[in-house]
Amino acid sequence: AQKVTQAQTEISVVEKEDVTLDCVYETRDTTYYLFWYKQPPSGELVFLIRRNSFDEQNEISGRYSWNFQKSTSSFNFTITASQVVDSAVYFCALSEAWGSNYKLTFGKGTLLTVNP
Amino acid sequence: GAGVSQSPRYKVAKRGQDVALRCDPISGHVSLFWYQQALGQGPEFLTYFQNEAQLDKSGLPSDRFFAERPEGSVSTLKIQRTQQEDSAVYLCASSPPTSGVLETQYFGPGTRLLVL
Repeated sequence: AQKVTQAQTEISVVEKEDVTLDCVYETRDTTYYLFWYKQPPSGELVFLIRRNSFDEQNEISGRYSWNFQKSTSSFNFTITASQVVDSAVYFCALSEAWGSNYKLTFGKGTLLTVNP
Repeated sequence: GAGVSQSPRYKVAKRGQDVALRCDPISGHVSLFWYQQALGQGPEFLTYFQNEAQLDKSGLPSDRFFAERPEGSVSTLKIQRTQQEDSAVYLCASSPPTSGVLETQYFGPGTRLLVL
């Protein structure tokens, strides 16, 4: 069975600090996909990034960067120079490519609070 | 273009009432997913449609939960004889046709159900 663990329940930082959100996953499949979603107070899940298991290249998008390491089954997310607008719950999710059903298994989320 | 829409956004039901939650996916998206998100938790998979076919309903918690998508577009999640433990946010997501690789799921704002 697949599982996603986000050990950090809550993180609080001061604006402009860098912050890393941890994600560890478990799966028996060799082909799988990893995601990060952001859930602001409004409640809607906003897609941030998707990676497949064959692509371990790290990715940077503006202030966001992702570190995917298969050796440690981790897919960590770093926000550089955090801003108040980054305050939200962040979810890591895993999908095994099983047939055509790409249902997502989510972690419990990390609540990030960025204080001015 | 328009994103996934859900209605109602909030629903208060008395225990034992039936409720119906609606999801309008992004136009052209063939896959549709329902998730349940309890307070402080990550979303959990309920059911999956590809067009009008319900291919996976393994996540539905009981036979009081029923979902349909008769014309392959709008979907309705129905909960009969609601119980207090059904209180949660119900999220709908859709994804475009796949060419063999996983497509990203885009989420609606959710329906917050409170059962008294």
